[in-house]
Amino acid sequence: AQSVTQPDIHITVSEGASLELRCNYSYGATPYLFWYVQSPGQGLQLLLKYFSGDTLVQGIKGFEAEFKRSQSSFNLRKPSVHWSDAAEYFCAVGPRQYNTDKLIFGTGTRLQVFP
Amino acid sequence: GAVVSQHPSRVICKSGTSVKIECRSLDFQATTMFWYRQFPKQSLMLMATSNEGSKATYEQGVEKDKFLINHASLTLSTLTVTSAHPEDSSFYICSAARPNYGYTFGSGTRLTVV
Repeated sequence: AQSVTQPDIHITVSEGASLELRCNYSYGATPYLFWYVQSPGQGLQLLLKYFSGDTLVQGIKGFEAEFKRSQSSFNLRKPSVHWSDAAEYFCAVGPRQYNTDKLIFGTGTRLQVFP
Repeated sequence: GAVVSQHPSRVICKSGTSVKIECRSLDFQATTMFWYRQFPKQSLMLMATSNEGSKATYEQGVEKDKFLINHASLTLSTLTVTSAHPEDSSFYICSAARPNYGYTFGSGTRLTVV
């Protein structure tokens, strides 16, 4: 079955600390992988995506993610968190023919940042 | 580029009335559009997938007669919540997809049925 697991429902970090949000997926083939961020009452903003090639992907706002095929993981990282990073983060996977099929979302991780 | 405009951002309606939500891709043609529903502090639940000029494909458990989806052009899809009831109150988000780019999401619509 196709699924995305985000094991951490809620993470709290201090401003300036490093961050890693976990994402594991189960999929029949190598999928397209995405990380989105959602602020309260807002839609989703794409942080980064992996289609192929270099398994370390750079995104916006200083985020990066690493695709590890052997672990079926696509963890999101940031070396130094800012207070404005507090939000909900969603990992998602899509098929190769992403433009015709749906994304599968994880349950999300809520990030809280303390000053 | 790749902007999706969703309107209205908030709407309050009386029970029994219908509400239409619009989703427009402003600077690209969207092959496929998706409609999601999100409950508080939960993930997105896909309601339906629509392709321009064809009938929407609804996910299991989603009432197609209550949630009418129209995708009349490559830049516009609408979701109409018919005979709305308080249990339909939720946050609705659309997403537009295009080849070789991925998915772009609208800013969402907060529907409150009173």
